[in-house]
Amino acid sequence: DQQVKQNSPSLSVQEGRISILNCDYTNSMFDYFLWYKKYPAEGPTFLISISSIKDKNEDGRFTVFLNKSAKHLSLHIVPSQPGDSAVYFCAASLNAGGTSYGKLTFGQGTILTVHP
Amino acid sequence: NAGVMQNPRHLVRRRGQEARLRCSPMKGHSHVYWYRQLPEEGLKFMVYLQKENIIDESGMPKERFSAEFPKEGPSILRIQQVVRGDSAAYFCASTTLAGVRGETQYFGPGTRLLVL
Repeated sequence: DQQVKQNSPSLSVQEGRISILNCDYTNSMFDYFLWYKKYPAEGPTFLISISSIKDKNEDGRFTVFLNKSAKHLSLHIVPSQPGDSAVYFCAASLNAGGTSYGKLTFGQGTILTVHP
Repeated sequence: NAGVMQNPRHLVRRRGQEARLRCSPMKGHSHVYWYRQLPEEGLKFMVYLQKENIIDESGMPKERFSAEFPKEGPSILRIQQVVRGDSAAYFCASTTLAGVRGETQYFGPGTRLLVL
């Protein structure tokens, strides 16, 4: 049962343009969402997060949008740079204070390639 | 300030042998999560531990797998009698507080286990 899905295995973008990575989830109890970036042979690195009480969070070139009614979130990278080439994972966690203990449910990942 | 450390980075075992994977959390972190990434998949939660306590092992296979986080020393994920299906990348993550909204999990570089 894949509760977090990234339906695009890969995305190719020209340097300077916008990269949009998408993520869908099925569990309406998720209330905190994160994006991680991962280079080969390394662990995931936290990028940006958003609480379910918000619909947008911005940090520099990275913006995450959350559409709760559609159970959909997206990560926008503007402008894209070759160093952004990596695998991007979205992740979700259940409500804080419950018995989920902050464990993350990950999507399958999207390979982003930014061409110079 | 060292990040999360995992060793070994690569581990090769023959079927039936034991695998021991170690994770040293970031300084000041007392909460550890273990995740497994099978080929072409996202990371999947296995177990969450605090010092000397297993809090949530709902993602851990019932047999052959065990985890500990002693008062002193690293957290250890132990796989007994490994099978080929155990071949995967195993990541640990640490955090200062678990289940608190906004608390980031910091990941180690992972241990890549190959079972021959």
